[in-house]
Amino acid sequence: NAGVTQTPKFRVLKTGQSMTLLCAQDMNHEYMYWYRQDPGMGLRLIHYSVGEGTTAKGEVPDGYNVSRLKKQNFLLGLESAAPSQTSVYFCASSTPGREPAYEQYFGPGTRLTVT
Amino acid sequence: AQTVTQSQPEMSVQEAETVTLSCTYDTSENNYYLFWYKQPPSRQMILVIRQEAYKQQNATENRFSVNFQKAAKSFSLKISDSQLGDTAMYFCAIRGGSTLGRLYFGRGTQLTVWP
Repeated sequence: NAGVTQTPKFRVLKTGQSMTLLCAQDMNHEYMYWYRQDPGMGLRLIHYSVGEGTTAKGEVPDGYNVSRLKKQNFLLGLESAAPSQTSVYFCASSTPGREPAYEQYFGPGTRLTVT
Repeated sequence: AQTVTQSQPEMSVQEAETVTLSCTYDTSENNYYLFWYKQPPSRQMILVIRQEAYKQQNATENRFSVNFQKAAKSFSLKISDSQLGDTAMYFCAIRGGSTLGRLYFGRGTQLTVWP
């Protein structure tokens, strides 16, 4: 099992450009999440999904869109990148049920720089 | 709403010594879970230890243990026999029973273990 993978690992964008970050998991998890990590801020939830075809906003959703067309994939899109979106992005997945219920498994992260 | 506060941005300890990282939290839920995650320089998020709020017994995982004080809403992490490989950023996080697995993180404590 690869667990949770993220593509790409690094990316540099110019202001106004668009891109999509791909998260894939092979654990058949129902729930998937996108977080961003900024220095001194911990991880903050951007969007999440509780199943194929569903998405919901987290704490900091502005400037991002997501899609979950397939259960194993969760895409995070930036339509018009801004320097404030320079961050490290983490994807995670989990599944409801009995213990360890909802334990989240994290991907390796994507470092995005917007110039 | 749920919040997590880590009041120690940085800590250091000598190898083989014991160190305690502090975490306080706030939640309106009766059923919740608390976590400590470790993030080494590789950036990977690694679950260190988990505590269910309904369990009175403090969780332990080898050299890692917690002091869970439910009334005080405190959840500290004790690392015994510190090792150089424990050098990392440590995040405290909370998940409510009704929040679809969403995690709320503190801002982190950078722990450095000195030889």
